[in-house]
Amino acid sequence: GDSVTQMEGPVTLSEEAFLTINCTYTATGYPSLFWYVQYPGEGLQLLLKATKADDKGSNKGFEATYRKETTSFHLEKGSVQVSDSAVYFCALTASWGKLQFGAGTQVVVTP
Amino acid sequence: SQTIHQWPATLVQPVGSPLSLECTVEGTSNPNLYWYRQAAGRGLQLLFYSVGIGQISSEVPQNLSASRPQDRQFILSSKKLLLSDSGFYLCASEQGGETQYFGPGTRLLVL
Repeated sequence: GDSVTQMEGPVTLSEEAFLTINCTYTATGYPSLFWYVQYPGEGLQLLLKATKADDKGSNKGFEATYRKETTSFHLEKGSVQVSDSAVYFCALTASWGKLQFGAGTQVVVTP
Repeated sequence: SQTIHQWPATLVQPVGSPLSLECTVEGTSNPNLYWYRQAAGRGLQLLFYSVGIGQISSEVPQNLSASRPQDRQFILSSKKLLLSDSGFYLCASEQGGETQYFGPGTRLLVL
């Protein structure tokens, strides 16, 4: 079945460091891919998405490119801030409307 | 854009007591609605989804149930809570077959 694999956390970084969170997937067909972010004590917010191969989603300085050949959708940010501390979820929607989430990666940014 | 409301925000209940969590959606009509559970330190598990009033699909067997009495209202219930029901419950709404928007969540602690 469809699945999403994310790198395990927590990922601890200093402010202004470069962040990469790896995400790979398996799916039949051509899924849309998403990154959601969950700040402490809150629900999930859509961070960015890509709907077809080679699309790049971007938002708030974060970027991810839909790589069909490597079935990946890695999340990157060039310079993180303390306010980026959160749990990041990679997800895909391959069949009607359902989202398959990865396990989440906690990111901790220290001053 | 859609706004999803959930209440209560936090709930502490004894084992064996009943449960009712409510989710309402604004800013859209005839959405697909979802209930997810997030156990501590883990990813999201899809519990139920609904494509319309009175239409509920269950993803996992459990002692929880869901109902959709109105187009933009989705209720999660239990007759007798178990310790394992503790977690963070998230409601999501989607229309148009793509992005899901999440509510702020309800944190449930069963003692």
